[in-house]
Amino acid sequence: ETGVTQSPTHLIKTRGQQVTLRCSSQSGHNTVSWYQQALGQGPQFIFQYYREEENGRGNFPPRFSGLQFPNYSSELNVNALELDDSALYLCASRPSRGHTGELFFGEGSRLTVL
Amino acid sequence: DQQVKQNSPSLSVQEGRISILNCDYTNSMFDYFLWYKKYPAEGPTFLISISSIKDKNEDGRFTVFLNKSAKHLSLHIVPSQPGDSAVYFCAASAQTGANNLFFGTGTRLTVIP
Repeated sequence: ETGVTQSPTHLIKTRGQQVTLRCSSQSGHNTVSWYQQALGQGPQFIFQYYREEENGRGNFPPRFSGLQFPNYSSELNVNALELDDSALYLCASRPSRGHTGELFFGEGSRLTVL
Repeated sequence: DQQVKQNSPSLSVQEGRISILNCDYTNSMFDYFLWYKKYPAEGPTFLISISSIKDKNEDGRFTVFLNKSAKHLSLHIVPSQPGDSAVYFCAASAQTGANNLFFGTGTRLTVIP
């Protein structure tokens, strides 16, 4: 059983650019969510996808968008990058939308915006 | 608006002794609570959870206690081992909407050999 994998692990962008982060969910998991972890903070919920549709969103502006594909892999896109977007972006999956329980996290993509 | 709070950023404990990590929450709609452990350069990994219908859940060396009236939970690790050194995050969720997790800011536990 493969775990959650994310790419790239590290990247550097400049303010105003756009970035795409990728995630492969754990096998059998059809719900994926993305979290932002700023330095010294806990992860903060960005949004969640279930069956290729967004079904929940945290307090993040529209320039944060996502996609989920039929194979349950996912992308996080951030447009017009700002310095405060520098953070670790974590992808997490779980077996079903209604399952309350543990999330399975990837190792994260560390984004630095200069 | 931090709905889950971990007021101790760090904790040091001698090997073999008990580690107690604390967490407070403000949202009375939270009904499921989890603890995650995070090593450097790794994603958080699930440790233990508790539903609001219980006040204690035990798994080996790890026990989570929930006090709903005080909106407080704690994680006890006994005996503590050097391999337990990590950042511990408390998280909470409500059975509505996206069922997403609200995390605290974490407590860095150091177990001294």
